[in-house]
Amino acid sequence: AQSVTQLGSHVSVSEGALVLLRCNYSSSVPPYLFWYVQYPNQGLQLLLKYTSAATLVKGINGFEAEFKKSETSFHLTKPSAHMSDAAEYFCAVSPLEAGKSTFGDGTTLTVKP
Amino acid sequence: DAGVIQSPRHEVTEMGQEVTLRCKPISGHNSLFWYRQTMMRGLELLIYFNNNVPIDDSGMPEDRFSAKMPNASFSTLKIQPSEPRDSAVYFCASSLALVSQANTEAFFGQGTRLTVV
Repeated sequence: AQSVTQLGSHVSVSEGALVLLRCNYSSSVPPYLFWYVQYPNQGLQLLLKYTSAATLVKGINGFEAEFKKSETSFHLTKPSAHMSDAAEYFCAVSPLEAGKSTFGDGTTLTVKP
Repeated sequence: DAGVIQSPRHEVTEMGQEVTLRCKPISGHNSLFWYRQTMMRGLELLIYFNNNVPIDDSGMPEDRFSAKMPNASFSTLKIQPSEPRDSAVYFCASSLALVSQANTEAFFGQGTRLTVV
């Protein structure tokens, strides 16, 4: 069984400030982990994914995430927030075999000018 | 590739009517997912197909919902009869999932915004 918990349904930061969105997972086997972003009236699109090649994963738009097995975490960060980063972010965990991903409840990021 | 294509983008229907949502996955992908997104419940997986076969439909809310995948390039989600509480955004997603290999990421369509009045 696998599950994902995103801590904080809403996060607000000032433009230029650090973005930190938290994700903890539970999986009976080493998982594959993903972060997706959803802009208003759009579908989800992939930001980055962890596939065990490297624990620090870099994605699009300056985002990165670090896989920490000891903490069962995969937090998403960006050093400097931009207004265009305002969106909803979803963490997801996927089994190694073909199957369905499990999504977190999402975190809405607001960026203040 | 044009990505996952869903139609219609918006649908407004009266309670009791049949609604059919359509999805064309990315060519070559062998897994297809239908999700429903609402403010109250977030993103819910309704049903998952692999190689056109329904693998897990445990998320389908009730018998009013049905999904088919007659071939690798087309899927439908049908609600009959529709109810106001079915109002939501319905997403279709596809991915390439191979036995003994890692799942690739899911590619989502733009969604269908359904309003049942």
